[in-house]
Amino acid sequence: EAGVVQSPRYKIIEKKQPVAFWCNPISGHNTLYWYLQNLGQGPELLIRYENEEAVDDSQLPKDRFSAERLKGVDSTLKIQPAELGDSAVYLCASSLGGTGNNEQFFGPGTRLTVL
Amino acid sequence: DQQVKQNSPSLSVQEGRISILNCDYTNSMFDYFLWYKKYPAEGPTFLISISSIKDKNEDGRFTVFLNKSAKHLSLHIVPSQPGDSAVYFCAASTGSQGNLIFGKGTKLSVKP
Repeated sequence: EAGVVQSPRYKIIEKKQPVAFWCNPISGHNTLYWYLQNLGQGPELLIRYENEEAVDDSQLPKDRFSAERLKGVDSTLKIQPAELGDSAVYLCASSLGGTGNNEQFFGPGTRLTVL
Repeated sequence: DQQVKQNSPSLSVQEGRISILNCDYTNSMFDYFLWYKKYPAEGPTFLISISSIKDKNEDGRFTVFLNKSAKHLSLHIVPSQPGDSAVYFCAASTGSQGNLIFGKGTKLSVKP
């Protein structure tokens, strides 16, 4: 079974430039998450999707960040414009959703460096 | 304020001995707890979980203990192996489908 796929793995951009990250969750997983992980910290939730609906985006800085999950499968996370403080690893995760445990499967992440 | 705390940034253990990783939480609404393991350049992978209705859950070499009155949980790895060297994250949620709140992680080094 293929895991969560993310691309690109690494991205270096200059500040004020836009950047986008892509995530393909595990097939059949209805719930998709985007996390931000700063150096030396644990993952922090940015947005959670149930199918194509964003059910929790309270931690997403909406002035510069946006996300979409068209057709309830793949998802993209965009930053425009990027700031120096956005340098971090952006993780995508998915889970089955519904009842049961909340085991989330993570992708390898995209490491963003903003110069 | 951090709701999930892992106060030891690192831990070094000899191969074959027991590794004990600790985690404290402040939110009494948390009732589901998980441990994730992370290798460099990879995403975290699920290790083991425990519901607040239990005080112990075991899976092979890994056992998680939950002390609700102390708001404390621990992960025991016995015996420790060099391949266990990784960063371990404690996470908690309200309900099994709630959003996960992660600690900062503890880097475990198991020396041959």
